[in-house]
Amino acid sequence: AQTVTQSQPEMSVQEAETVTLSCTYDTSESDYYLFWYKQPPSRQMILVIRQEAYKQQNATENRFSVNFQKAAKSFSLKISDSQLGDAAMYFCAYKAGGYQKVTFGTGTKLQVIP
Amino acid sequence: GAGVSQSPRYKVAKRGQDVALRCDPISGHVSLFWYQQALGQGPEFLTYFQNEAQLDKSGLPSDRFFAERPEGSVSTLKIQRTQQEDSAVYLCASSLDPRVYNEQFFGPGTRLTVL
Repeated sequence: AQTVTQSQPEMSVQEAETVTLSCTYDTSESDYYLFWYKQPPSRQMILVIRQEAYKQQNATENRFSVNFQKAAKSFSLKISDSQLGDAAMYFCAYKAGGYQKVTFGTGTKLQVIP
Repeated sequence: GAGVSQSPRYKVAKRGQDVALRCDPISGHVSLFWYQQALGQGPEFLTYFQNEAQLDKSGLPSDRFFAERPEGSVSTLKIQRTQQEDSAVYLCASSLDPRVYNEQFFGPGTRLTVL
C-alpha cells in the first residue's frame, strides 16, 4: 500500500524568507504523481504544485518549487519569499498512474510571522 | 463558473441518527470523490464515481456508509446510525476527465459532529 509521511507537524517562517516542507512516500509503482495541496482555515483545499514521476525536472510554480528525489522517495516543497497568505495546512499527496485514488499525508501547519 | 459546493456546511447529529451530505460538482466534471478528514489529519479517500458509476468504494469504513450519484452530477453521501467516530469533515472533489490526469477541485466540506 502507498503511504505518505510528513514528519513536520508545524513549521514557522519569517515573512519574505524561505521555508522547506518535507515529505516522503512509499510505493512500488513506477508511474505516479505527487502533489502539494494547501488548505487555509476556510478548509477549501487548493492544489499548489504537482510532479509527474517520469519527469526528472523539478516542478516550479512562481514562488513554489519542489525537490523531487525519486530514488530516495522524497518530495519536499520550497516556498520562497513567504507571504502572510501562505499560512495554512500543507498536505503532500500521491496518486498512482491509472488510478484515481489520492493518498494524503497528515499535513504540516505553516505559520508565517510578520 | 462556480466551484464545488457542499451542503450543509455543518451538521450536528445525535448518535444513531441518519445523515445525508450533498455534493454539487463543477458542471461537466466526470469524476467525483468523497474524502473523510478527521481533526488534525489528512483527508482519507472514501469513494470515487465516474459519471454515475461507483468505481471504487474501498475507503468506505463500514456498511453504514453509502454514496450515490444517480444522474452523474450531484452526489449524496449517506451515513446510517451515526457513531461518534464518524465525526469529521467530509470533503467532496471533482475532476474533468479520468482518462488523463486532471486536477481535483475540492469543495469547502461538511463538518459532521455526532453527539
